[in-house]
Parts: sequence; structure tokens; C-alpha cells
Amino acid sequence: EAGVTQSPTHLIKTRGQQATLRCSPISGHTSVYWYQQALGLGLQFLLWYDEGEERNRGNFPPRFSGRQFPNYSSELNVNALELEDSALYLCASSFMTSGGTGDTQYFGPGTRLTVL
Amino acid sequence: SQQGEEDPQALSIQEGENATMNCSYKTSINNLQWYRQNSGRGLVHLILIRSNEREKHSGRLRVTLDTSKKSSSLLITASRAADTASYFCATDPTDSWGKLQFGAGTQVVVTP
Repeated sequence: EAGVTQSPTHLIKTRGQQATLRCSPISGHTSVYWYQQALGLGLQFLLWYDEGEERNRGNFPPRFSGRQFPNYSSELNVNALELEDSALYLCASSFMTSGGTGDTQYFGPGTRLTVL
Repeated sequence: SQQGEEDPQALSIQEGENATMNCSYKTSINNLQWYRQNSGRGLVHLILIRSNEREKHSGRLRVTLDTSKKSSSLLITASRAADTASYFCATDPTDSWGKLQFGAGTQVVVTP
């Protein structure tokens, strides 16, 4: 069974540009999550999508946005890039989190974004 | 902001020894998950323990959870060089679905 896949592996952009990162979940998973791992800041929750809807959002500015497609894959868009956006962006997927019980989140290999 | 803190920050042991790391957190949780990360790559899920469970085993891994103390521990027995990695605990808080909150991690180095 294929795991979570992310593309591209590396992305280099300059300040002010836009970046688009992509994620394909494990087959059967409907929830997709995005996390940022920046040096010195640890892993921070960005966004959670399920059934095409944004379900939860972390403490990030609106220039971080995304969407989930009917096939459950997802895109993370970062507009007006700043130097501090340089980080490893990790996508995870799970079965639908419901009833407050939570479920295992399986992570992809990540996209390393470098902003120059 | 991060929910939990791991202790120690770094751990250096020899092959065959046991490695123990601890995680403390602040709020009420649905479950706590442990992950491994090799050299800044993706996270590998190790084990999930629910808030109504006290101990769980998976191969050479043993996890405990004490919700009264808001703490968890991960024990790796008979460690191998391949266990060299960063280990993170992540809590699934009851007041915010889907949002795993990670600790800063413990860097484990296992020398042959």
C-alpha cells in the first residue's frame, strides 16, 4: 500500500513569490493535515481538511491557504513568501477524525521550501 | 506554540542498551502518539496510546501514559544503530480536533 506522497521534494523561491505544495493521502483516507517544521520552532499545525472542507486551522496568517480536491489530494499555497517561511512542510493523512477520539496521522516525506 | 516538552533533549547510548524518553503536556487529550524522524525527513508513526489506556507495547517499544500527571514515556529496548533518530511525542487535544501538538523532540544516538 502506497504511503502519503508529496511533491515537489524541494522548492526554491524568492521573497514575494507564491509556492504551491501538493499531497496525496493514503488510499481510503479522507483527512489531510499540513504541518510546518521550521528550524528552531518545531512542528507546527497549519491546516486540516476533510471531505473538501477546512476543519481546523493553526496560528498562521491568511497567506497560508489550501484546498482539498474530490479525490482527497490537497494543495497548500503560500502567498507573498517571506524568508521565515523556509521550512520543511509535512503532509499527513488519516481516516476521518470523529467523535473526539482522534486517529493515527501518517506523514509523507515532506517538501523542503527555501525562500531566498 | 508547542503543547509538550520532551526530556531529555538528547540521549547517547550504545547498542543493546535501553533508551527512555519522557513527554509532558499541558491540556486534556484524546490520545498521544510517538513518532520517529530521521535526518529531517518525514515522520514515521510508532505508536498511539488513547487517554483511557495506561500502557502499550509494540515490538521493542513500550509506551506509558499517566493522564493525572499529564506525562508519557517511550522505552526502546535493546537499541540498535538504526534507532538513531529524533523522537517526538504528539498530543491530540480534546479542545481542538485533528490538530496534533508536538514536543521539541529527543535526539537519540545509538553507537555500535
